[in-house]
Amino acid sequence: QVQLVQSGAEVKKPGASVKVSCKASGYTFTDYYMHWVRQAPGQGFEWMGWINPNGGGTIYAQKFQGRVTMTRDTAISTAYMELTRLRSDDTAVYYCARRGRESLPPDYWGQGTLVTVSS
Amino acid sequence: QSVLTQPPSASGTPGQRVTISCSGGSSYVGTNTVNWYQQLPGTAPKLLIYTNNQRPSGVPDRFSGSKSGTSASLAISGLQSEDEADYYCAAWDDSLNGVVFGGGTKLTVL
Repeated sequence: QVQLVQSGAEVKKPGASVKVSCKASGYTFTDYYMHWVRQAPGQGFEWMGWINPNGGGTIYAQKFQGRVTMTRDTAISTAYMELTRLRSDDTAVYYCARRGRESLPPDYWGQGTLVTVSS
Repeated sequence: QSVLTQPPSASGTPGQRVTISCSGGSSYVGTNTVNWYQQLPGTAPKLLIYTNNQRPSGVPDRFSGSKSGTSASLAISGLQSEDEADYYCAAWDDSLNGVVFGGGTKLTVL
């Protein structure tokens, strides 16, 4: 079965960076783009971008360009999302989510990683 | 402010049928398919409906989806207490070249 297992919660100070990992299993990692989506406390979802694990090509939402970097390591079927110059309003649960087999929005989601930005 | 518009809340009694709407512009709902997700408190979203009206295996047939023009709907029949959750729609936006989401609808089972 498809599983996406993310790294644990992080607490960061403003201005720092965070890198979240997402280990995929149960399917061929390079066959499906990986989305990154975040959800601020009590809010809806915000798409950050996605990466094509087959080749590493990325598309980032304009809001995050210059601050986000998505990478992958195909040898260990793991995707990464790094966000720099963190601000308090970056406090959110960050999800990796696999592109759907028959649709562009996600099908399977990771369990989420809470990133708290606080001085 | 979310790109896709959903009602913030909906409610129904056990056994009832409820519908949740999702409306958006021509560059997303109008030209692309819609997914629906269920999010229980403190958990990750679960895919309920993909490509407007398809159910993944394991999702009860009480859940159904439809789309017409720039609006989509999720219907839940035979409402059960465990259906109490937040529901979100999502679609690909050709202009943004990314995924857009609705603001979510909190379903209460009375």
